[in-house]
Amino acid sequence: SQTIHQWPATLVQPVGSPLSLECTVEGTSNPNLYWYRQAAGRGLQLLFYSVGIGQISSEVPQNLSASRPQDRQFILSSKKLLLSDSGFYLCAWSGGWSQETQYFGPGTRLLVL
Amino acid sequence: TQLLEQSPQFLSIQEGENLTVYCNSSSVFSSLQWYRQEPGEGPVLLVTVVTGGEVKKLKRLTFQFGDARKDSSLHITAAQPGDTGLYLCAGATGNQFYFGTGTSLTVIP
Repeated sequence: SQTIHQWPATLVQPVGSPLSLECTVEGTSNPNLYWYRQAAGRGLQLLFYSVGIGQISSEVPQNLSASRPQDRQFILSSKKLLLSDSGFYLCAWSGGWSQETQYFGPGTRLLVL
Repeated sequence: TQLLEQSPQFLSIQEGENLTVYCNSSSVFSSLQWYRQEPGEGPVLLVTVVTGGEVKKLKRLTFQFGDARKDSSLHITAAQPGDTGLYLCAGATGNQFYFGTGTSLTVIP
């Protein structure tokens, strides 16, 4: 069965510090991978998606970047965090037999102080 | 931009009542998903509907995809406190998924 992992689960960082959030998928190959940010109790904002290694599409211009160094690994980064980067970050995958559906990781709560 | 609007945004009901959540768009989707999310956790898939007019039932939950594949509804019968959470709809087109604004449901015992 497929599983998706995110870490860390919670992160508190000072303004101006770097960021690296990691997402890995098990049990499937060549998945489509997505990064979302969610404000409290609201819908999801798509940040980046990737259809393959090294292929990144950005949906929203911002302080963040994404990379896909391996087939089942997706990384969200920032060189200098802003207060507005605080939020709940979700990674998701789709593909294979699940083309029409996304499955989400447990999320990372980021607080920038 | 393919916008999905959900209504109501907030809903607070007594245990045992019925409710319906709506997900509407002017865009056509190849499929539509419903998710339930609890605070601090990732959304959990409830159902995927693919065919226009399709109806799926999951215990006390009934999901319907509009004939034109632009809208969907989620009906919950005899709501229970365990149904409390944020309900999200998402429309799929190719590799892209477009999420609704969310409906926060509270079921009071």
